[in-house]
Amino acid sequence: GQQVMQIPQYQHVQEGEDFTTYCNSSTTLSNIQWYKQRPGGHPVFLIQLVKSGEVKKQKRLTFQFGEAKKNSSLHITATQTTDVGTYFCAGITNGGGANNLFFGTGTRLTVIP
Amino acid sequence: KAGVTQTPRYLIKTRGQQVTLSCSPISGHRSVSWYQQTPGQGLQFLFEYFSETQRNKGNFPGRFSGRQFSNSRSEMNVSTLELGDSALYLCASSLIPRRGVNEQFFGPGTRLTVL
Repeated sequence: GQQVMQIPQYQHVQEGEDFTTYCNSSTTLSNIQWYKQRPGGHPVFLIQLVKSGEVKKQKRLTFQFGEAKKNSSLHITATQTTDVGTYFCAGITNGGGANNLFFGTGTRLTVIP
Repeated sequence: KAGVTQTPRYLIKTRGQQVTLSCSPISGHRSVSWYQQTPGQGLQFLFEYFSETQRNKGNFPGRFSGRQFSNSRSEMNVSTLELGDSALYLCASSLIPRRGVNEQFFGPGTRLTVL
């Protein structure tokens, strides 16, 4: 069945260091989304990537969608304590008009001040 | 615009009991999805409802069921609770699904503890 794996599971960085999380799907995706969940909170939508090879930036965050639309990455430059949380990718396949959303296992980011 | 609301926020039940959780989506959103979140398994998709019809279902036993009403509000029910059902149950709503952005707006969740 459809699987979306994410690595690493945990990442501890010093404030100011960069951070990257990777997402890999067992099948080709239509789109991929990224969410952030703060400790004690709920997932909040960050971005959606649609095109093969697409790269999008949001301030210090850079999102990439692989050429084969089976992998994606989120890179944070110069992390800040406000970046703490768990980052999830969610792969989307479109089947029969329904949206099948498969969440990755998540990467929990800790930023040490 | 009000966000997704879920009730109750916290619930304690014992094994064998049943539970019903409620979700009110953002006004205008017709798609409602349910997820189970546990530390070990992450976010697991339960089911999606659209216009009162279940369109997608995850890999959960039949003890987990749901429904959606004409006003798009949704409920999920878990019967014969097991200890392993202890989790945060998240509801997410989205606009009419179409090709393009299908942003999921999550509610705060219901924390279910089964004793």
